Amino acid sequence: NAGVTQTPKFQVLKTGQSMTLQCAQDMNHEYMSWYRQDPGMGLRLIHYSVGAGITDQGEVPNGYNVSRSTTEDFPLRLLSAAPSQTSVYFCASSYTRDFNEQFFGPGTRLTVL
Amino acid sequence: DAKTTQPPSMDCAEGRAANLPCNHSTISGNEYVYWYRQIHSQGPQYIIHGLKNNETNEMASLIITEDRKSSTLILPHATLRDTAVYYCIVRVKTGANNLFFGTGTRLTVIP
Repeated sequence: NAGVTQTPKFQVLKTGQSMTLQCAQDMNHEYMSWYRQDPGMGLRLIHYSVGAGITDQGEVPNGYNVSRSTTEDFPLRLLSAAPSQTSVYFCASSYTRDFNEQFFGPGTRLTVL
Repeated sequence: DAKTTQPPSMDCAEGRAANLPCNHSTISGNEYVYWYRQIHSQGPQYIIHGLKNNETNEMASLIITEDRKSSTLILPHATLRDTAVYYCIVRVKTGANNLFFGTGTRLTVIP
């Protein structure tokens, strides 16, 4: 099993550009989530999904969209990048409804100029 | 979620047990204690969680005091690959929400 994979590892964007961060898992987990990690702020939940076709907002959803057309994939789209979105983004999956034992991807380090 | 306090750093000799303390004196009755770790430049890794009973899995043991105000994560035989930042968090076990990691404890396993 590859676990949770994320691409790209690094990305630099200019303000106003859009892009999609890819996330895939091969563990057949129903539950997936996107976090951003900023110094001193832990992991803040952006969006999450409890199954294919079902998504919901987390704590900091503004400026981000998600979709879940398959169990495996959970892409995160930045609509119009802003410097405040400079962060490390982690995708995670879980086999439990309470998002208990989450398996995290390696992260995407995004810089918005 | 309740705040946690951890020492900023600890060293442990390879092969010895690493005991990482965490204080969570304001924990509520419905909050669980979780431990994660993060090796440099990698994603967080779930280790273990518990409510009030001691827990053990293939990675570690979690000892929670009877008043639940503190806990200790035990890595029974530390290896160099256990060098990481360890985070103790408390959260209600109900679905997706933030994981406030705080500053954690940087564990260095020494050969």
